[in-house]
Amino acid sequence: EAAVTQSPRNKVTVTGGNVTLSCRQTNSHNYMYWYRQDTGHGLRLIHYSYGAGNLQIGDVPDGYKATRTTQEDFFLLLELASPSQTSLYFCASSDWSSAETLYFGSGTRLTVL
Amino acid sequence: QQQVRQSSQSLTVWEGETAILNCSYENSAFDYFPWYQQFPGEGPALLIAIRSVSDKKEDGRFTIFFNKREKNLSLHIKDSQPGDSATYFCAASPNTNKVVFGTGTRLQVLP
Repeated sequence: EAAVTQSPRNKVTVTGGNVTLSCRQTNSHNYMYWYRQDTGHGLRLIHYSYGAGNLQIGDVPDGYKATRTTQEDFFLLLELASPSQTSLYFCASSDWSSAETLYFGSGTRLTVL
Repeated sequence: QQQVRQSSQSLTVWEGETAILNCSYENSAFDYFPWYQQFPGEGPALLIAIRSVSDKKEDGRFTIFFNKREKNLSLHIKDSQPGDSATYFCAASPNTNKVVFGTGTRLQVLP
C-alpha cells in the first residue's frame, strides 16, 4: 500500500503570510494531487501532477501554486494566505495503471487568522 | 455546481442494522464510482468501487447498488458495527485520474 506523508500536521499563519505544505510518497506513483476538504463541499481538487516538473490545474486553483520537484515530492504554496484558505488539506497519489485509486495522506490542518 | 451529490449529511443507525448511504451524479461520462471511508484525524481510504457496466458490487458487509439509467447509486453496510462510524464519500471518475467527490455522509453506529 502506498505511503503518503504530509507535513506539517497543523499550521497557523496570519493573513498575507507565506505557507508551504509538503507531501512525500514512497511508492513511486506517477500522479500526485492536492485536495482541500471543507464541510459542505467535500474534497475539492486544487492542483495535480503527472510527474516531476509537471503541473495541472484542478477545480479550485485560485490563490494556490504547486510544484513537483521529484517523483516523490509535491508542494502546495500559499504566497498570500487568506482566511478563506483555512481548511484541511490532503495530498494523494495514484499509479498510472490504476489512476482512479487514490492513496491519501493524513492531512494538514491550516488556519489563517 | 455539485457533480456528485450525497443526499444525507449525516445518518445514525443502531448496531446490527443495515446503513444505506445514497449518492447521485449528473455527468453521463462518469464510469467509475468509488466509495471512500474516512475516520477522524485520517485521510480517506478506498472502501469499495464499481464500474458502470455492473449494477452490484459486494465486498463482505459492504455492497454498492448502481442504477445507470437513474444516475444514482447506494452503499449498503450490512450488520453495522460501531467501528463503521466514519464519514463516507461517494466519488466518480470518467475513466481518468480526475476523481470528483461528493460532500460526504457522516455515519454514526450506536451500540
